[in-house]
Amino acid sequence: DVKVTQSSRYLVKRTGEKVFLECVQDMDHENMFWYRQDPGLGLRLIYFSYDVKMKEKGDIPEGYSVSREKKERFSLILESASTNQTSMYLCASSPVGYSDTQYFGPGTRLTVL
Amino acid sequence: KNQVEQSPQSLIILEGKNCTLQCNYTVSPFSNLRWYKQDTGRGPVSLTIMTFSENTKSNGRYTATLDADTKQSSLHITASQLSDSASYICVPPRDKLIFGTGTRLQVFP
Repeated sequence: DVKVTQSSRYLVKRTGEKVFLECVQDMDHENMFWYRQDPGLGLRLIYFSYDVKMKEKGDIPEGYSVSREKKERFSLILESASTNQTSMYLCASSPVGYSDTQYFGPGTRLTVL
Repeated sequence: KNQVEQSPQSLIILEGKNCTLQCNYTVSPFSNLRWYKQDTGRGPVSLTIMTFSENTKSNGRYTATLDADTKQSSLHITASQLSDSASYICVPPRDKLIFGTGTRLQVFP
């Protein structure tokens, strides 16, 4: 079974802090994604990566950056956390294309105070 | 305008009953349509994948239908169980994934 793990299930940070969310997949997938999910809104793509050191902006990249130094690991960075970044963050991976089935991690619920 | 509309937004049914969830989309088709199930506090898990040549596809008690002409899909759940309580998310076919907001299903004993 594909396994996607995220470093924390719950995280509480203060406004202005730098926040790192880590994601690891064990199936040698090419693509990895970061989404945020808010009540009443569908999953919204923040960034995705189709290869090591390669990344593309999604629909809502402002205030975020990413890093993919190794194929299995994709990090989401909040440079200076703000209260409007309080959300559920979901990482996913997929074998090949953008439209291929994605395998999701359990999510990190981030609260910014 | 939302490119994916799911209805109802929420649904409560009794265990053992059937229900149908709807998905209408406006995007131009590119690839397969997917339904995901998301348990509370968990990431979504793929339920079904439908190609344009398939009108109906079953996965146990879950049956998905697709009308590519009208851009409508439905997910029918038969003999619901408590474990079916979750959000069900439609992902229409497109080069870039667009997730619907989902239908929140609650099954009570």
